Amino acid sequence: DTGVSQDPRHKITKRGQNVTFRCDPISEHNRLYWYRQTLGQGPEFLTYFQNEAQLEKSRLLSDRFSAERPKGSFSTLEIQRTEQGDSAMYLCASTPWGRDQDTQYFGPGTRLTVL
Amino acid sequence: GQQVMQIPQYQHVQEGEDFTTYCNSSTTLSNIQWYKQRPGGHPVFLIQLVKSGEVKKQKRLTFQFGEAKKNSSLHITATQTTDVGTYFCAGSSFQKLVFGTGTRLLVSP
Repeated sequence: DTGVSQDPRHKITKRGQNVTFRCDPISEHNRLYWYRQTLGQGPEFLTYFQNEAQLEKSRLLSDRFSAERPKGSFSTLEIQRTEQGDSAMYLCASTPWGRDQDTQYFGPGTRLTVL
Repeated sequence: GQQVMQIPQYQHVQEGEDFTTYCNSSTTLSNIQWYKQRPGGHPVFLIQLVKSGEVKKQKRLTFQFGEAKKNSSLHITATQTTDVGTYFCAGSSFQKLVFGTGTRLLVSP
C-alpha cells in the first residue's frame, strides 16, 4: 500500500491525558501536513513540514500541541493535557515534489475523543 | 485571514438531477482544488484549477475557476447515488490549503 497511513485510527482519552498520533506519508513525498476537522467543517490547517523542517504553524496550534518529523519521513503530533475541545478528526496529508506539489493526499485520519 | 465560503451548505437531490456548489474566497487564489469526502472517509483530491477562467471536465463533473481567481464552481450533471458526500473547495495560499466550508450532497434513488 503506497497511501498515507495514520495510527491509531481512533483514540479515546480522559481530559488531562497526553496523546500522540503518527503519520506515515507516501514514500518520497517531501511535504507533510497536519489538519484538524470537526463535524460539519472543512479541514483546518495546523502545521506543515518540508522534509524535517517545520515551516509553519497555525494560530490554532496552542502550546499544548507539538509536531515533529525527525528524519523527514514519518511525523508525530502530540497533544498534552488534552481538553474536551480537542475532540476532532486529525488528518495528515502529504504532497509530492515537483509539478503536482499542491496536490494533497490525505490519510484516513485519527479520530480523537476526549472524555 | 483568508476565508473560503461555499454555498449551499447542504443539498438533497433526486438521482438524475443536476447539482452545483459555489466557492468564494476573500482573497485572490494562486490555484483552487476540489476534494470529495465520503461519509466517514477522508478528503480525496478531485482536480486543481490554475488559470483564470479555466474550465475542466471529469465525466459528469465540470469545474470552473473565475476570471478574478476568487471563485469557483463544481457542477455535477445527472447525479448518481455514488456522488453522495461532502465537496470541499480549497484555496492554495503559501504552500498550504484553506478549505471551504463544504457542501454536503445527498442523492435519493
